[in-house]
Amino acid sequence: SQQGEEDPQALSIQEGENATMNCSYKTSINNLQWYRQNSGRGLVHLILIRSNEREKHSGRLRVTLDTSKKSSSLLITASRAADTASYFCATSIQGAQKLVFGQGTRLTINP
Amino acid sequence: NAGVMQNPRHLVRRRGQEARLRCSPMKGHSHVYWYRQLPEEGLKFMVYLQKENIIDESGMPKERFSAEFPKEGPSILRIQQVVRGDSAAYFCASSPPGWADEKLFFGSGTQLSVL
Repeated sequence: SQQGEEDPQALSIQEGENATMNCSYKTSINNLQWYRQNSGRGLVHLILIRSNEREKHSGRLRVTLDTSKKSSSLLITASRAADTASYFCATSIQGAQKLVFGQGTRLTINP
Repeated sequence: NAGVMQNPRHLVRRRGQEARLRCSPMKGHSHVYWYRQLPEEGLKFMVYLQKENIIDESGMPKERFSAEFPKEGPSILRIQQVVRGDSAAYFCASSPPGWADEKLFFGSGTQLSVL
């Protein structure tokens, strides 16, 4: 079964609003990462948060991690049309040298 | 400084043919990962290779699929006797030596269509 489960599966908001996506996972992790995928393209790394960190910022992105609840959230503030994409969380599992991806959230920013 | 290069970008095969997907990692990267993505789904791990070694192939189907990363040249994902269910986007990612759970760099993928 998938290590990462994302919620919601799809999200549509107006430009300028904030977008929040959530990710839950099952096993102990080394870190959790968020990636963006534009339609028909490869994934681009956005941000990485380690298991001993609780919050991290990068530009308009804010990521939180709650290891007790095995969950993370990605907040995109002041959304733009160019933020329209699918967003995936990926976990680096302890003892395994690979990333396990969630199902993704399809984000649509309406102008 | 070229990124991860995958070719071909699109590949059409008839059932029963062989598909060969190529991946050249970023310069200086010696770790290669292959993932498969079905429409509207996330990426499923297939295999992790280092030069001349398969490290983790736990996501590879037991039959018809193989992967290699030779000392010289690109990594190859080979699918023999393709079936319609093999139609998907196949992504390659790379990371540098001594990777300690850092980010992956992805190619643009190969879209395989089996007729």
